[in-house]
Amino acid sequence: AQSVTQLDSHVSVSEGTPVLLRCNYSSSYSPSLFWYVQHPNKGLQLLLKYTSAATLVKGINGFEAEFKKSETSFHLTKPSAHMSDAAEYFCVVKGSEEDNFNNFYFGSGTKLNVKP
Amino acid sequence: DVKVTQSSRYLVKRTGEKVFLECVQDMDHENMFWYRQDPGLGLRLIYFSYDVKMKEKGDIPEGYSVSREKKERFSLILESASTNQTSMYLCASSMGRRNEKLFFGSGTQLSVL
Repeated sequence: AQSVTQLDSHVSVSEGTPVLLRCNYSSSYSPSLFWYVQHPNKGLQLLLKYTSAATLVKGINGFEAEFKKSETSFHLTKPSAHMSDAAEYFCVVKGSEEDNFNNFYFGSGTKLNVKP
Repeated sequence: DVKVTQSSRYLVKRTGEKVFLECVQDMDHENMFWYRQDPGLGLRLIYFSYDVKMKEKGDIPEGYSVSREKKERFSLILESASTNQTSMYLCASSMGRRNEKLFFGSGTQLSVL
């Protein structure tokens, strides 16, 4: 079965400093991995996705993530945080054909706080 | 842009009531999903549908049912609401079997008293 673990429930950074949100996955096959963002009172929005192409994936708003198979990790980074990045971030792994291809397994979320 | 619309932003119901949560998408997507979101638990899949009149159970279907009579509309039904169903409910849609991008509605915060 697939699962993801987000290692931090809350992360706090100062504006202009780097952001690191950590995610480890468990999968018996080569996974499709995603990061979604949820701003307060808004629906979730796709930030970026990895689907077995380049291991460094660039997303919207300056975010990127690196797929590391040896570490089973898919950490989300941004070089310089902006106040508008304050939100909750979810790491997601997609089910396989053998499992349930229509299911997406969500992590428990990381709330990012950006201080002025 | 794809729009997924959930009929209510906030809903307050009493224990034992029958509750309908409605979701409509405007991009002719085949797949539609209902999730519930609880603090510290992320999103958990309740039901999904990959075609009209088709439905599949997700990870936590107990106490819920769904209806998909038209392609654009996917309804979640709580037959007899209970307090442990107080939660944020999120509807999502996606296109086709490759199904790699979910489009979400803004959510319905349901409180069962």
